[in-house]
Amino acid sequence: QVQLVQSGSEVKKPGASVEVSCRASGYTFTGYYIHWLRQAPGQGLEWMGMIHPGGHSTNYAQKFQGRFTMTRDTSTSTVYMELSSLTSEDTAVFYCARDPAWDWAFDIWGQGTMVTVSS
Amino acid sequence: QSALTQPASVSGSPGQSITISCSGTNSDIGVYNSVSWYQQHPGKAPQLMIYEVSNRPSGISNRFSGSKSGNTASLTISGLQAEDEADYYCSSHTTSSTLHVVFGGGTKLTVL
Repeated sequence: QVQLVQSGSEVKKPGASVEVSCRASGYTFTGYYIHWLRQAPGQGLEWMGMIHPGGHSTNYAQKFQGRFTMTRDTSTSTVYMELSSLTSEDTAVFYCARDPAWDWAFDIWGQGTMVTVSS
Repeated sequence: QSALTQPASVSGSPGQSITISCSGTNSDIGVYNSVSWYQQHPGKAPQLMIYEVSNRPSGISNRFSGSKSGNTASLTISGLQAEDEADYYCSSHTTSSTLHVVFGGGTKLTVL
């Protein structure tokens, strides 16, 4: 079935970087944008950026530009995100989600990856 | 502070109908028909319930419906069931130059 499977939880120290992967299966990987979103504990959802695995075009929320990078590996149908210069405010669950071209809706979500930033 | 405004909580009894509002501006909801609604149970990933204001993905119950008037979108759940108890988030595309998608702060639905 169509699914996105993310890598496991991470614990990082302030100032470090974290990489989270998102492996797609059950559909044509290069045909759909993948978005990254995050949700701080007890808070709402926040959009971070998007990548098209087929053309590798990317678009970042200005808030994260400069310390947020998305890449993809078409051989493994995997999208990666890296967030650097972590602070405690980056503690959150990070989600990847597929965009089916239904006008900025996200129909398939990864299970989420908890990133904890603590000294 | 979220870009879209939702009530923090709503409640209803089984079988009743409830409506959750999502207030935006003429930079997002007011100019785009790209309103989506997501249901999120505790510890789970969000699930798409409504897209493009009023469309339901395959497999979503017709008890869920969406609408929009001006800068405000709404999600209505009819025939409330216990399993509908969850957090609900609205989202919209935005003309902002700093990001493409904005979300509401979420509404906790309690089924009494």
